[in-house]
Amino acid sequence: EAGVAQSPRYKIIEKRQSVAFWCNPISGHATLYWYQQILGQGPKLLIQFQNNGVVDDSQLPKDRFSAERLKGVDSTLKIQPAKLEDSAVYLCASSLGHRGSTDTQYFGPGTRLTVL
Amino acid sequence: DQQVKQNSPSLSVQEGRISILNCDYTNSMFDYFLWYKKYPAEGPTFLISISSIKDKNEDGRFTVFLNKSAKHLSLHIVPSQPGDSAVYFCAAIPDSNYQLIWGAGTKLIIKP
Repeated sequence: EAGVAQSPRYKIIEKRQSVAFWCNPISGHATLYWYQQILGQGPKLLIQFQNNGVVDDSQLPKDRFSAERLKGVDSTLKIQPAKLEDSAVYLCASSLGHRGSTDTQYFGPGTRLTVL
Repeated sequence: DQQVKQNSPSLSVQEGRISILNCDYTNSMFDYFLWYKKYPAEGPTFLISISSIKDKNEDGRFTVFLNKSAKHLSLHIVPSQPGDSAVYFCAAIPDSNYQLIWGAGTKLIIKP
């Protein structure tokens, strides 16, 4: 079974530029998550989708971050414009479960973003 | 406000000995706890979990212990192997929104 795919794996941009990340979850997984992991910290949830609807985006900085999951499968996360403090690894995860589930989350390899 | 704390940034253990990784939490509404393992340049992978109604869960070389009164859980790996060298994250799920709250991780180094 294929795992969660993410691209690109690495991205270097200058501040105020835009960047987009792509995620393809495990087939059949209804729930998709985007996390931000800053060096030395645990992952922080940015947004959670159930199929193509947003379950929680309370920690997403909506003035610069946006995410979508069209057709309830692939997802993209965009940052526009980027700031230095956005330098982090962006992890995508998926799970079978519906809202209120403790189903295991499966993670992709992440995209390491460096903002100069 | 760190609700899940892993106070040891790193731990070094001799191959074949027991590794004990610790995690403390502050929110008494957490009712499910997980350990994830992460290798460099990879995403975290699920290792083992425990429900708040239990105090122990075992899976092969890995055992998780939960002490609810102390708000403390630990992961025991025995015997430790070189492939266990990784960063281990403790995470908790509150019964309010079922979202993972993560600790900062502990880097485990297994010495040959």
